[in-house]
Amino acid sequence: GIQVEQSPPDLILQEGANSTLRCNFSDSVNNLQWFHQNPWGQLINLFYIPSGTKQNGRLSATTVATERYSLLYISSSQTTDSGVYFCADGAYEGNYQLIWGAGTKLIIKP
Amino acid sequence: EAGVVQSPRYKIIEKKQPVAFWCNPISGHNTLYWYLQNLGQGPELLIRYENEEAVDDSQLPKDRFSAERLKGVDSTLKIQPAELGDSAVYLCASSLGAERGEAFFGQGTRLTVV
Repeated sequence: GIQVEQSPPDLILQEGANSTLRCNFSDSVNNLQWFHQNPWGQLINLFYIPSGTKQNGRLSATTVATERYSLLYISSSQTTDSGVYFCADGAYEGNYQLIWGAGTKLIIKP
Repeated sequence: EAGVVQSPRYKIIEKKQPVAFWCNPISGHNTLYWYLQNLGQGPELLIRYENEEAVDDSQLPKDRFSAERLKGVDSTLKIQPAELGDSAVYLCASSLGAERGEAFFGQGTRLTVV
């Protein structure tokens, strides 16, 4: 089946630091999304980015579909950025569904 | 615009009891998903609806789980009887269509079976 690999699995940073999270895909990229799951469990949409680059405040994302990867950049980290970051892409595994990475757990220390 | 609404937020029940979760998707979204998420893992699809039709329920444990979306809008997921291993977060999501655009998630229902 289709594989989605996220790296790093864990990341601990001081407030104010920058970080790059990566998502690799074993097959073509279709409907890639990045989510932030906050400590209360809510999955928050960050980007819908099947290709190209998007920016939203301190966050930006780039997807290089031809090379089957996506990057999420977080600049000037704040403690509220803590949580788990997931990437997911739509693919046919029998039926169409979102295939999820295992997530990157980010802890921002004050 | 209202997001995906789920209720209840939390539920604690004894094993062998029934439980139901409710989801109201974003207005106009034809596709509705129910996911299960265990601690430290990504969400796992239970069932996907296109309007009122369940088009993918291959991962739904049908001996105890059931779902419905009678009018193609809100949906209910039921477990009867609940087992200890069903403790998890149950997430509902919706999108315009399965292959079109973003999926948006509700806040989830955290189920604890004791």
